[in-house]
Amino acid sequence: QKEVEQNSGPLSVPEGAIASLNCTYSDRGSQSFFWYRQYSGKSPELIMFIYSNGDKEDGRFTAQLNKASQYVSLLIRDSQPSDSATYLCAVNREYGNKLVFGAGTILRVKS
Amino acid sequence: SAVISQKPSRDICQRGTSLTIQCQVDSQVTMMFWYRQQPGQSLTLIATANQGSEATYESGFVIDKFPISRPNLTFSTLTVSNMSPEDSSIYLCSVETSGYGYTFGSGTRLTVV
Repeated sequence: QKEVEQNSGPLSVPEGAIASLNCTYSDRGSQSFFWYRQYSGKSPELIMFIYSNGDKEDGRFTAQLNKASQYVSLLIRDSQPSDSATYLCAVNREYGNKLVFGAGTILRVKS
Repeated sequence: SAVISQKPSRDICQRGTSLTIQCQVDSQVTMMFWYRQQPGQSLTLIATANQGSEATYESGFVIDKFPISRPNLTFSTLTVSNMSPEDSSIYLCSVETSGYGYTFGSGTRLTVV
């Protein structure tokens, strides 16, 4: 079982729709959860991170964490073509320690 | 959040040679992380570099192949030694900034021919 699992996609959504990206992790000791966006040929860019169960909102983005189910998701509201990228989920055991990445989900927003 | 300057941005190297990648951070950080991203793949941690101590390598990565230096709290280098075409990847450094998560350098795209 991989430590961090994501559906590779591609996930295709129409412009203006909500894109839902999911991630599961195997280590129950994981404490911190991160979502990165990576455009082709570029380095990963942090979208947001979450530590506590529940929702965390930042603009059009909402991260949701359920530690009991070992599940973290990212919702993108009002999706735009510029959101088309690979979204990477990453977790770590302690803040400041190494990140373990999922394989990433390709998102395509069609205008 | 921290700003990382990474260089070179890309290079094409002959097999059997070595390349040293540099990362300079605009603030002092305790740990720096070096990742590899092979074509079409996600990021894999190579090693964690603390200032003043030996780097800690992940399974599958060894110091002879990927020596790391960490002379101070703002700078680190990763060397890819005795390169083969299988080393063609993007190499990224990363730091953690309290309250801002983990930031990545712009990456070094290495092609070994």
